[in-house]
Amino acid sequence: NAGVMQNPRHLVRRRGQEARLRCSPMKGHSHVYWYRQLPEEGLKFMVYLQKENIIDESGMPKERFSAEFPKEGPSILRIQQVVRGDSAAYFCASSPREQGGNEQYFGPGTRLTVT
Amino acid sequence: GDSVTQMEGPVTLSEEAFLTINCTYTATGYPSLFWYVQYPGEGLQLLLKATKADDKGSNKGFEATYRKETTSFHLEKGSVQVSDSAVYFCALSDPPTGNQFYFGTGTSLTVIP
Repeated sequence: NAGVMQNPRHLVRRRGQEARLRCSPMKGHSHVYWYRQLPEEGLKFMVYLQKENIIDESGMPKERFSAEFPKEGPSILRIQQVVRGDSAAYFCASSPREQGGNEQYFGPGTRLTVT
Repeated sequence: GDSVTQMEGPVTLSEEAFLTINCTYTATGYPSLFWYVQYPGEGLQLLLKATKADDKGSNKGFEATYRKETTSFHLEKGSVQVSDSAVYFCALSDPPTGNQFYFGTGTSLTVIP
């Protein structure tokens, strides 16, 4: 049973470009969470999605950031017009909440570098 | 609001030493508590969890007990190995929605032979 998959693992973008980060949850999980980890810090919640719905986006910056989880395909975190401060590791997690569990399983992360 | 406070690192221990990493929390409800481990360049792996007061989570020789009276969930291991070198994160999930996890800042552990 494959774990949470994220790609790319490393992404380099110049200031002003767009970054697209992909996340495929574990098989059977339909709840996805995105977190951002800045250097030397813990993970900060960004957004929680269920298939085709954004449930909680209280941690998302109001501008330039968006997320989706379509009926088919992976969840996408999109950052428009990236700035140096967006450089971080972005982690996706999925949860078996529909089965009653509340633990979250994390992917390997995408490390975004903005030059 | 909810938060997790973790013992600051880095921590350096000799192999076979006893490990304690302190974690305390603040929550409005009755949270579930977790320890995650992150190896270099990788994502977080669930190490153990506890869902109610006095529960003890354990895995791979690590243990942590959910102490409601002291709002703590300290991680312990009796005899660490070099392979335990990693960053350890304490986290909580607060019902009823449990939409997000709140993470501590992480404690870096290095075990030397």
